[in-house]
Amino acid sequence: QKEVEQNSGPLSVPEGAIASLNCTYSDRGSQSFFWYRQYSGKSPELIMFIYSNGDKEDGRFTAQLNKASQYVSLLIRDSQPSDSATYLCAVPGWGKLIFGQGTELSVKP
Amino acid sequence: NAGVTQTPKFRILKIGQSMTLQCAQDMNHNYMYWYRQDPGMGLKLIYYSVGAGITDKGEVPNGYNVSRSTTEDFPLRLELAAPSQTSVYFCASSWEREQFFGPGTRLTVL
Repeated sequence: QKEVEQNSGPLSVPEGAIASLNCTYSDRGSQSFFWYRQYSGKSPELIMFIYSNGDKEDGRFTAQLNKASQYVSLLIRDSQPSDSATYLCAVPGWGKLIFGQGTELSVKP
Repeated sequence: NAGVTQTPKFRILKIGQSMTLQCAQDMNHNYMYWYRQDPGMGLKLIYYSVGAGITDKGEVPNGYNVSRSTTEDFPLRLELAAPSQTSVYFCASSWEREQFFGPGTRLTVL
């Protein structure tokens, strides 16, 4: 069974800082990775996915993948209070996604 | 395009009662999933389906049943509700890997 590990947090950063969220995975054969954001009381929504080693940027969000070290990171630049949420990392399994337990991010004004 | 819909939004059950959580999607997705999420925890997969007539167990299937008679609908049945089933239940669907989630059902068993 594939495993996905995240620090549960909470991670607290001041407004305008860079928030760094990390995820490690057990299956060396994993090819793609997903980051979901979940606001309190709401359902998860996809914000980033990455297939290749290196960085993928989308606005203030950057996903970083290092297959040799088996970790994937999500960087949020210029963090805003509206970024306060739980961030879930996910790895595809057969016909399904394997989710980490999520990292709670709090951005303080 | 409604996406993934779930009913009811909230429900309180007594121990031993049964109920069905409804899930429907209008995106013609083959894959559908049921998760539960306990406070402060991640998503745990209960059951999933790769197409009409095909279902399989996830991590935590005990106490639940599913059926998939159509592409659109994937109901989750709770038999003999127990306090341990108090949770938020999310249904999701996907065509390939990206999953789209419904708004959730908050269930309390007293």
